[in-house]
Amino acid sequence: NAGVTQTPKFRVLKTGQSMTLLCAQDMNHEYMYWYRQDPGMGLRLIHYSVGEGTTAKGEVPDGYNVSRLKKQNFLLGLESAAPSQTSVYFCASSYLAGNRFFGPGTRLTVL
Amino acid sequence: EDQVTQSPEALRLQEGESSSLNCSYTVSGLRGLFWYRQDPGKGPEFLFTLYSAGEEKEKERLKATLTKKESFLHITAPKPEDSATYLCAVQTYNTDKLIFGTGTRLQVFP
Repeated sequence: NAGVTQTPKFRVLKTGQSMTLLCAQDMNHEYMYWYRQDPGMGLRLIHYSVGEGTTAKGEVPDGYNVSRLKKQNFLLGLESAAPSQTSVYFCASSYLAGNRFFGPGTRLTVL
Repeated sequence: EDQVTQSPEALRLQEGESSSLNCSYTVSGLRGLFWYRQDPGKGPEFLFTLYSAGEEKEKERLKATLTKKESFLHITAPKPEDSATYLCAVQTYNTDKLIFGTGTRLQVFP
């Protein structure tokens, strides 16, 4: 039972490049989330999904897109990376809207 | 506007020196307050959920309490392995989302 996994763990991009972060959960949770964590700021919600095929905007959605084609997977895309997107990204899942189970994070640097 | 404030930002304790971390909140209708522990380079790990004023929960050396305006995470006789950043988050009845504080970085030295 792996819980929530994220790939990759680290990534360095140049400004303007694109990439996709993959999140997978094996707990059969309906809800999944993408957060970013920056120094001096609390975790901020980027996008979330309340079920397969659904997505919704969070607090800081600009510059990101998401897809939830399968219940166990939630993808976060950056179409044209900017230095302001340098951050640590956490995926989480929950049974309905309860406690979030977090993945180990992806550290992204945009040069 | 819903807000969560944690204090202090950082806390250094000697092993065995008990203390408390604070999480104060202003929200329109508290649904639940969550405490998480986060080790460097890892994701937050769930500790407790509190739902109503007066509620208390314990786990090993940690005890979380809740009032109508704040929550405390009491650490009794801490050990170096308790060193971590402790995050609190609130959930309101208006939304399913969690609003996170910026955390308290705790260091316990021998």
